[in-house]
Amino acid sequence: AQTVTQSQPEMSVQEAETVTLSCTYDTSENNYYLFWYKQPPSRQMILVIRQEAYKQQNATENRFSVNFQKAAKSFSLKISDSQLGDTAMYFCAFMTNRDDKIIFGKGTRLHILP
Amino acid sequence: NAGVTQTPKFQVLKTGQSMTLQCAQDMNHNSMYWYRQDPGMGLRLIYYSASEGTTDKGEVPNGYNVSRLNKREFSLRLESAAPSQTSVYFCASSELPDTYTGELFFGEGSRLTVL
Repeated sequence: AQTVTQSQPEMSVQEAETVTLSCTYDTSENNYYLFWYKQPPSRQMILVIRQEAYKQQNATENRFSVNFQKAAKSFSLKISDSQLGDTAMYFCAFMTNRDDKIIFGKGTRLHILP
Repeated sequence: NAGVTQTPKFQVLKTGQSMTLQCAQDMNHNSMYWYRQDPGMGLRLIYYSASEGTTDKGEVPNGYNVSRLNKREFSLRLESAAPSQTSVYFCASSELPDTYTGELFFGEGSRLTVL
């Protein structure tokens, strides 16, 4: 069974700093997808970034980038120049090509301090 | 654009009562999902449906039933509610398997309290 682990329950950083959120996963599959979702206090879930396992190049979306280490089964999210609006819960998620099941980690609560 | 609509948004039940959470999406998505969110536990998959007429168990299916009524609608039923089912429930949909982007589109959530 696939599992997703986020080892940092909560983090705080100063505005404009760079922060990295960790995610590891376990799977025997070779083809899969990884995601980071953001959940602000409004509770709405928002896709931040996605990565296909077959792509070696790390995905980037503006200030958000990932460090995908397939052999280590690691998928960390880097937020550069952090902003107050980045304050949210961040969830790592995983999906294989074999079925449509998408599972999530327990989340990291990120506080951006002014 | 409505996207994914869940009803009700809030519900209080007594132990043993039954209820159904309704979910509808207007994006012509194939796959639909029910998750529950509890503090410190993240989002846990209850059931999902890859296409109309099919449903599969997720990580925590016990105590729940689902129906994929048509392509648009996916309901979650609690036959005999228990306090352990107090949670925020999210419905989501995805274009899978057509595009394999895997992006989930979520409803606003339904807060259920079982006394």
